[in-house]
Amino acid sequence: QVQLQESGPGLVKPSETLSLTCTVSGYSISSGYYWGWIRQPPGKGLEWIGSMYHGGSTYYNPSLKSRVTMSVDTSKNQFSLKLNSVTAADTAVYYCGRWYNSIWKYFDYWGQGTLVTVSS
Amino acid sequence: EIVLTQSPGTLSLSPGERATLSCRASQSVSGGYLAWYQQKPGQAPRLLLYGASSRATGIPDRFSGSGSGTDFSLTISRLEPEDFAVYYCQQYDTSLTFGQGTRLEIK
Repeated sequence: QVQLQESGPGLVKPSETLSLTCTVSGYSISSGYYWGWIRQPPGKGLEWIGSMYHGGSTYYNPSLKSRVTMSVDTSKNQFSLKLNSVTAADTAVYYCGRWYNSIWKYFDYWGQGTLVTVSS
Repeated sequence: EIVLTQSPGTLSLSPGERATLSCRASQSVSGGYLAWYQQKPGQAPRLLLYGASSRATGIPDRFSGSGSGTDFSLTISRLEPEDFAVYYCQQYDTSLTFGQGTRLEIK
């Protein structure tokens, strides 16, 4: 069974960098699939942040692209998100997920989500 | 960027009734790139349908999807108590976007 778990600080100060890690179990990241991040502000809808392949190919939401960096650590079976210059608008539950990126495109496995609050 | 508009915003129905949720795209979407998710309070979204009409693993056959081009729909043939949740459609073109969601509530 594929499982994903987000981890990282729950509180980040404005203008600083948000850093999250997703640990994958039950599946090797280097075996295929893309891996991505989605966020959901409290009481609002879903927003895709970006997705990447273990080999380095990345897709980013154009509205966030200038502030986002994603990376993969296959030795730890983890992938990470960095979002810089955060503001209160970046407060959200952040989910990591496995993205099927072929003849269909969808997230089939999701982490439980982690709330990140941007506040001084 | 393709914008997905879901309607209605809220749908109030009773268990046993049929639900039809709409997802309209601002430009044509490849059917293969249209998915539907269900989200319950405090939980991550769960994949229901992909390729507009294919059920994900473990999804009951009361959930079905249809549509092409700019108009897609999710139908729940006979509502069970556990089906009351928020539903999102999702597409991928040059970027991935979600609809704003339809809340399905108990009448």
